[in-house]
Amino acid sequence: DAGITQSPRHKVTETGTPVTLRCHQTENHRYMYWYRQDPGHGLRLIHYSYGVKDTDKGEVSDGYSVSRSKTEDFLLTLESATSSQTSVYFCAISESTSRAAFFGQGTRLTVV
Amino acid sequence: RKEVEQDPGPFNVPEGATVAFNCTYSNSASQSFFWYRQDCRKEPKLLMSVYSSGNEDGRFTAQLNRASQYISLLIRDSKLSDSATYLCVVNSARDDKIIFGKGTRLHILP
Repeated sequence: DAGITQSPRHKVTETGTPVTLRCHQTENHRYMYWYRQDPGHGLRLIHYSYGVKDTDKGEVSDGYSVSRSKTEDFLLTLESATSSQTSVYFCAISESTSRAAFFGQGTRLTVV
Repeated sequence: RKEVEQDPGPFNVPEGATVAFNCTYSNSASQSFFWYRQDCRKEPKLLMSVYSSGNEDGRFTAQLNRASQYISLLIRDSKLSDSATYLCVVNSARDDKIIFGKGTRLHILP
């Protein structure tokens, strides 16, 4: 299995608080992605990174920011959590856009 | 038109049967295609890449039809353990995004 870990695995937080999720890889892959998965919507891309300090928005980026200060870490921040951000968040890594992506085990986030 | 579309199912198929899924994509310049499998409450896992000439891995066969812009997955001699959601994935030709279909649910019935 690809060396990719997400932390925390589960989190409950209150509305209005900032939350940061971490994705850590040991594969030295260039590309890293954050998705959220909700019933009826499938996997939706939030943000992605194509290198250190190089990031771009996905289809559901509002309310989220990301940072990638080193190859191995990609952080997703919910600036002020809302109940609509309750979801399962997956990080994925890929060597290149022509190669398959590999996923972390996911983070279950509940905003109350 | 959505970038990647799949029939959500569910497909309820008796054990031992053959089942096929299709997935359509909108961007004719897309170059890389994959099938993933996702079990309930787990992360998606790569099942197989899809090559232009078609490819087979055991009971699974994947094919690409560029003219009609779809990929397919065929599962032969289905097992109970094949019950899962199957996700079609297309790497965007415009940027570095990886686009997922919403998945097709498969239930293999004993």
